Amino acid sequence: EAGVTQFPSHSVIEKGQTVTLRCDPISGHDNLYWYRRVMGKEIKFLLHFVKESKQDESGMPNNRFLAERTGGTYSTLKVQPAELEDSGVYFCASSPGNEKLFFGSGTQLSVL
Amino acid sequence: AQSVSQHNHHVILSEAASLELGCNYSYGGTVNLFWYVQYPGQHLQLLLKYFSGDPLVKGIKGFEAEFIKSKFSFNLRKPSVQWSDTAEYFCAVNAWNTGNQFYFGTGTSLTVIP
Repeated sequence: EAGVTQFPSHSVIEKGQTVTLRCDPISGHDNLYWYRRVMGKEIKFLLHFVKESKQDESGMPNNRFLAERTGGTYSTLKVQPAELEDSGVYFCASSPGNEKLFFGSGTQLSVL
Repeated sequence: AQSVSQHNHHVILSEAASLELGCNYSYGGTVNLFWYVQYPGQHLQLLLKYFSGDPLVKGIKGFEAEFIKSKFSFNLRKPSVQWSDTAEYFCAVNAWNTGNQFYFGTGTSLTVIP
């Protein structure tokens, strides 16, 4: 069974540029989550999709962040324009329910 | 504010020492509790979970955790650590009244010295 995959694994961009992160969940998992971890801090919830609908986006920092999940399959998280404080590791996770999360390997985003 | 607190940020132990990592949460109502682990270069993966029943749960690799409802705690323990336990450990809470969200603590970095 394929796991959760994220692309790219690393991204280095300059302040003001745009970056799009992609997450492919495990097939059949309706729940898809985005999290972010800034070094030394907690893994912070960003948003939660159930199929293609945003169940909860209360963790999105501001309107520079846009997440989509077209067709209820893969999801993208776009940051436009990126700021220095957006640096961190962005994790995607999927789940069939509330039993456990299956994580991707994360995208390390560095904004210079 | 609702939160998950992990008290130890960095722990260094010698092999065969006992381990206890603290986790407290502040969510009310029914919760599911988890410990996740991230070994160097690997994905976050589930170590153990508590949903209901026996408050002492056993996980993989000899880890266990005890849910103490009155203390809102879910501490992780292992009687004798190994070098291969070097990793980052995260406590997480899934609170039923928050729309099936999972909330994480800040993580504890464990280094086991051979």
